[in-house]
Amino acid sequence: DTGVSQDPRHKITKRGQNVTFRCDPISEHNRLYWYRQTLGQGPEFLTYFQNEAQLEKSRLLSDRFSAERPKGSFSTLEIQRTEQGDSAMYLCASSPSGQDYGYTFGSGTRLTVV
Amino acid sequence: AQRVTQPEKLLSVFKGAPVELKCNYSYSGSPELFWYVQYSRQRLQLLLRHISRESIKGFTADLNKGETSFHLKKPFAQEEDSAMYYCAPANNAGNMLTFGGGTRLMVKP
Repeated sequence: DTGVSQDPRHKITKRGQNVTFRCDPISEHNRLYWYRQTLGQGPEFLTYFQNEAQLEKSRLLSDRFSAERPKGSFSTLEIQRTEQGDSAMYLCASSPSGQDYGYTFGSGTRLTVV
Repeated sequence: AQRVTQPEKLLSVFKGAPVELKCNYSYSGSPELFWYVQYSRQRLQLLLRHISRESIKGFTADLNKGETSFHLKKPFAQEEDSAMYYCAPANNAGNMLTFGGGTRLMVKP
């Protein structure tokens, strides 16, 4: 297990197109998180899974965003009808259960909407 | 609402000087607290967590519940400490981190 993997590393898309990102967490981790980071800002929480259940969603997550984690393993984040404001780094992280553990982050997917 | 403030966007020091990166939070309860670091062209990674009371790469973090602060300190900065540093308290359920805006530390030779 080489840590948290995200694919693709970079994505350039035209405004109005749909995009999907994938995250493969550390296999023993049952929690999975999606964050978004724009230039000069810290990561902002988008959504969180405990196993396959999506337990929390940020109000930042509009109806155009959807995330899934089938079978509690990998996760996908889809953005429909992309807008220029969606351009950001999308970070995935995983952790074991319990509040004493920090996250392990992936390298992120950089989305550019043109 | 949960808020995390890192008042300095940029902190520049000379090698060997002491460093303090400030973090203030406004949370109810007693959140668990973390510092994350991102070196150039690397992924965000955990630096230290309050509960373990550990010192990592010479860094320590002091929790002051009265001031609701969790400042990161190092007595003698090294050039390799140059990076972005993020303070991140967890919510009371312990299942979500909120990140501050980050402080860029530059250690000059």
